[in-house]
Amino acid sequence: DAKTTQPTSMDCAEGRAANLPCNHSTISGNEYVYWYRQIHSQGPQYIIHGLKNNETNEMASLIITEDRKSSTLILPHATLRDTAVYYCIVRVATESNDQLIWGAGTKLIIKP
Amino acid sequence: DGGITQSPKYLFRKEGQNVTLSCEQNLNHDAMYWYRQDPGQGLRLIYYSQIVNDFQKGDIAEGYSVSREKKESFPLTVTSAQKNPTAFYLCASSGQGNYEQYFGPGTRLTVT
Repeated sequence: DAKTTQPTSMDCAEGRAANLPCNHSTISGNEYVYWYRQIHSQGPQYIIHGLKNNETNEMASLIITEDRKSSTLILPHATLRDTAVYYCIVRVATESNDQLIWGAGTKLIIKP
Repeated sequence: DGGITQSPKYLFRKEGQNVTLSCEQNLNHDAMYWYRQDPGQGLRLIYYSQIVNDFQKGDIAEGYSVSREKKESFPLTVTSAQKNPTAFYLCASSGQGNYEQYFGPGTRLTVT
């Protein structure tokens, strides 16, 4: 079962910041939070990941709360090409297993 | 260009037939993965391989088989034992540390 919960869908105006929330209240101390996105009928694309600290790259910023029970992905200046399903994922890694646990994601629609 | 290729993009089969989906990567990645995606759902792990000649079952391995004879190739066979084989199948690979999975374009399999 997925270890994350996300809103089913969100809208955002073009040029504004898109803030996508994710709850992962059962996350363990050594489990990373990953974000991927999937444009319709294509393979998912990696965006960013983090453990405790906030992270930023050329695509987005990831803000993780101090208790690590939730996080927010920020797309600073959304464009129409950012319309996609965004997945917040917990990476579960043990000695015998290492996998990403995917939920249903948030469908983000960027409106002109 | 480096990347992951999956072929074919669309595949149609009659019920009761085995079918093999191709996945090739030239990224020199050690790990490779097969996922299944149903409409409106996230990805579910079928099988993964961390190294040549070794692979592990994911959450939904029943009715599927894989092989990893070469680092570049990780074919998936959907057998007649798979009760609901119609789905979108995604192959991915990752390198050292497994921090980012790179996905292929997917194969949409329809079984009638």
